[in-house]
Amino acid sequence: QKEVEQDPGPLSVPEGAIVSLNCTYSNSAFQYFMWYRQYSRKGPELLMYTYSSGNKEDGRFTAQVDKSSKYISLFIRDSQPSDSATYLCAMSATGRRALTFGSGTRLQVQP
Amino acid sequence: EAGVAQSPRYKIIEKRQSVAFWCNPISGHATLYWYQQILGQGPKLLIQFQNNGVVDDSQLPKDRFSAERLKGVDSTLKIQPAKLEDSAVYLCASSLGGGTWGNTIYFGEGSWLTVV
Repeated sequence: QKEVEQDPGPLSVPEGAIVSLNCTYSNSAFQYFMWYRQYSRKGPELLMYTYSSGNKEDGRFTAQVDKSSKYISLFIRDSQPSDSATYLCAMSATGRRALTFGSGTRLQVQP
Repeated sequence: EAGVAQSPRYKIIEKRQSVAFWCNPISGHATLYWYQQILGQGPKLLIQFQNNGVVDDSQLPKDRFSAERLKGVDSTLKIQPAKLEDSAVYLCASSLGGGTWGNTIYFGEGSWLTVV
């Protein structure tokens, strides 16, 4: 079983829709949670990061962490065609600097 | 601010040949990472340097992969001999410090390797 599980998609939504992306994990030591966006043939870029449980909002993006369920989510409001990319969740434990990534969910926002 | 630079962007080699990838991190970033991303998968850490010392190389296949970071700046990742399963994108990344919190990791665009 992988430490981090993520549905690969693809997920296709119409422009303006609310998108929900999710990851589950098995390692209870994970404390830091991140979401990266990766456009085709580009490197990942950091979108959001949160520590422990709770919500964090940044513009159209909201990240949620539920440590009791070992479940994290990224919500995108008013999705745009420019949001079409692969979204990777990543996490790490305190004192362990390396990130463990999910396999990524490919999102397509149709105009 | 210049980003993480990598070269070459694309490389096709035959199995059992060797290949080397170069990375120049963001100026002033002490920590440098090499990740391997196989198509359809998330990046997997191969090696992490703090300045010119190795912090973590537990997932580096040391029988064929080697990496160095001379003078704590540029880094080179070498594969010799290459296998078909090494076909992947090799991502270099850097961050100011070594801890995760508050230290954003910036990725380069990657070096795409195809082994035939």
